[in-house]
Amino acid sequence: GQNIDQPTEMTATEGAIVQINCTYQTSGFNGLFWYQQHAGEAPTFLSYNVLDGLEEKGRFSSFLSRSKGYSYLLLKELQMKDSASYLCAVRDFQRGSTLGRLYFGRGTQLTVWP
Amino acid sequence: DSGVTQTPKHLITATGQRVTLRCSPRSGDLSVYWYQQSLDQGLQFLIQYYNGEERAKGNILERFSAQQFPDLHSELNLSSLELGDSALYFCASSGGQGGNTIYFGEGSWLTVV
Repeated sequence: GQNIDQPTEMTATEGAIVQINCTYQTSGFNGLFWYQQHAGEAPTFLSYNVLDGLEEKGRFSSFLSRSKGYSYLLLKELQMKDSASYLCAVRDFQRGSTLGRLYFGRGTQLTVWP
Repeated sequence: DSGVTQTPKHLITATGQRVTLRCSPRSGDLSVYWYQQSLDQGLQFLIQYYNGEERAKGNILERFSAQQFPDLHSELNLSSLELGDSALYFCASSGGQGGNTIYFGEGSWLTVV
């Protein structure tokens, strides 16, 4: 099974940097995803890590340590529109396929203040 | 726009009834996933299909069933509905040009009264 933990809430101010942590325990690991979700809307893909290290994509970066079962999402130059829930998700391993299912954490509600 | 289409967007129905939610995956995606999101539970994986065949099952109730058709669209059938089934139901797809990334549709809001 999967056990994914992330903080429930975080706050930050515009222009700041925030790091959202995620720890996981999994019986079969095949990648870690971060999604952004505004209330009542679809989760939108932010980043994907399958190997250890940092992946950078504009203002967003994601880090993975498989040995520690740990990831973080780093958001720089925060904007008001970044206020949303950030979901950490682990994909399990499916024999013969890279298309395993995603298990989601409960999400971290980020509020960005002016 | 993720390219995943879900209908209906909103649905209100009474307890004991049956509804069908429909999903068209992104062009070229063979894998379809269904998720349920309620306020107190977060995103829960229900079921996955790949090219018409069931691949994985999650926390899907026996009252719920799904299928994927030859044209790759999928339907989620919810029967004997209870108040607790009120939730946002998401369809997602992957496996085409987007590779391993799983893209979500806009969701179907189901309210059971």
